[in-house]
Amino acid sequence: NAGVTQTPKFQVLKTGQSMTLQCAQDMNHNSMYWYRQDPGMGLRLIYYSASEGTTDKGEVPNGYNVSRLNKREFSLRLESAAPSQTSVYFCASLLGLAATSTDTQYFGPGTRLTVL
Amino acid sequence: AQSVTQLDSHVSVSEGTPVLLRCNYSSSYSPSLFWYVQHPNKGLQLLLKYTSAATLVKGINGFEAEFKKSETSFHLTKPSAHMSDAAEYFCVVTQYSSASKIIFGSGTRLSIRP
Repeated sequence: NAGVTQTPKFQVLKTGQSMTLQCAQDMNHNSMYWYRQDPGMGLRLIYYSASEGTTDKGEVPNGYNVSRLNKREFSLRLESAAPSQTSVYFCASLLGLAATSTDTQYFGPGTRLTVL
Repeated sequence: AQSVTQLDSHVSVSEGTPVLLRCNYSSSYSPSLFWYVQHPNKGLQLLLKYTSAATLVKGINGFEAEFKKSETSFHLTKPSAHMSDAAEYFCVVTQYSSASKIIFGSGTRLSIRP
């Protein structure tokens, strides 16, 4: 049982390049989330998926797209990377559907992205 | 609207002394409240959570937190700090019926002096 896994762990991009961050969970969770973490700002929600086949914008969605490929996998794509997207990205999952907020979130180890 | 404020960005204590990390929240509805811990270069891990059962919640590694509705607070405490407690701590509030409304505080970095 690996929990939540993320790839890659580190990535350096040049401005304008694209990339996809991968996330997978093996806990049969329904909801999945993408956050970015910047110093002094806590975690900010980029996109989330309340269930397989649905995605919704969070607090800071601009410049990102997501795909809920199946129940296990939720990817985050940067189409044209910008230096402002330099951050640590965390994927998380939660057992319940969007209507359930008392469940614990489980987090992946993070991806450190630098955009030059 | 709901929000969460962690009152200290950095707390430093000596090993063996008590720890207090402060968190205040605002929520239109009965909230669920969580504390997560993040060790350096790691993901976040649940310490404890309050979901309208007992107001004093015990978590892992000797931490506990008390939900005080009258003060809209959910402070995290530990009687005796250990070097391994050095980490970043996040207070989180969620609003029932909307798992998308998960709001993170800005974090408190806990340092432990030998």
